[in-house]
Amino acid sequence: DAKTTQPNSMESNEEEPVHLPCNHSTISGTDYIHWYRQLPSQGPEYVIHGLTSNVNNRMASLAIAEDRKSSTLILHRATLRDAAVYYCILRDEGGGSNYKLTFGKGTLLTVNP
Amino acid sequence: DAGITQSPRYKITETGRQVTLMCHQTWSHSYMFWYRQDLGHGLRLIYYSAAADITDKGEVPDGYVVSRSKTENFPLTLESATRSQTSVYFCASSKTGNSGNTIYFGEGSWLTVV
Repeated sequence: DAKTTQPNSMESNEEEPVHLPCNHSTISGTDYIHWYRQLPSQGPEYVIHGLTSNVNNRMASLAIAEDRKSSTLILHRATLRDAAVYYCILRDEGGGSNYKLTFGKGTLLTVNP
Repeated sequence: DAGITQSPRYKITETGRQVTLMCHQTWSHSYMFWYRQDLGHGLRLIYYSAAADITDKGEVPDGYVVSRSKTENFPLTLESATRSQTSVYFCASSKTGNSGNTIYFGEGSWLTVV
C-alpha cells in the first residue's frame, strides 16, 4: 500500500474549523483516500473517502489536491467529541490487497473548550 | 441497530490458556477482519475472511486461529495465550472487498494475558 504522512498532533479550539493534512506523494491513480478516526477507547470510525474530486458528508469535507499527492480533512466546526486520532489511509481499487486498511500512526487532534 | 458486536469486551487470562474472542455482525457483510492494536504499533491485521469458509492471513497471524462457518460470525482463537498477545482486538466488517467500501469496526476486546 502507498504510504501517507500526517502530523503527529494538532490542536484546535471548539467551534473553529480544523484542517488535517495528509501527504501521499506516491499515490497511484487507482488509490482511494480514506479517513477514519478513533475516539478514546473505541474502535476506528469511518469519516469520509474520495478518489479525485472533493467530497462532503455530514461529518466532514475532504479536499484533494489536483495532483492527488496530498489531501486535507476539514472539520467545519470542531466539537469536544471530535477529539480523536485521525487516520489517512490509501486503498488500492485494483490491487490484490484492496480488502484491507493499513493504518499508520495518524494525527492526534486535541480540541480545547 | 446492532451492527458489529464483540465479546467479551474485557478478559484476563493466564499464559498457555486458550481464549476465543467472538465477533458477530448483523449486516450480512461478506468481508470480516481481525486487527490488534498495541502502543507503538497502531492497528495491525491478523486475519481476514472474504466469505464463509474463506479465510486468509494478515500481517501478524502467528499464534491465532480463525474460522468462519457462518457469514455473521468470525471468532478469533488464541490457542495458547502468551503475554505478547496482551492487546486490544478489533473486529471489523465490510460489504465487499471493494476499496470504495466502508469498513465498520466493533468496540474492541481488551485482552490481558498474565
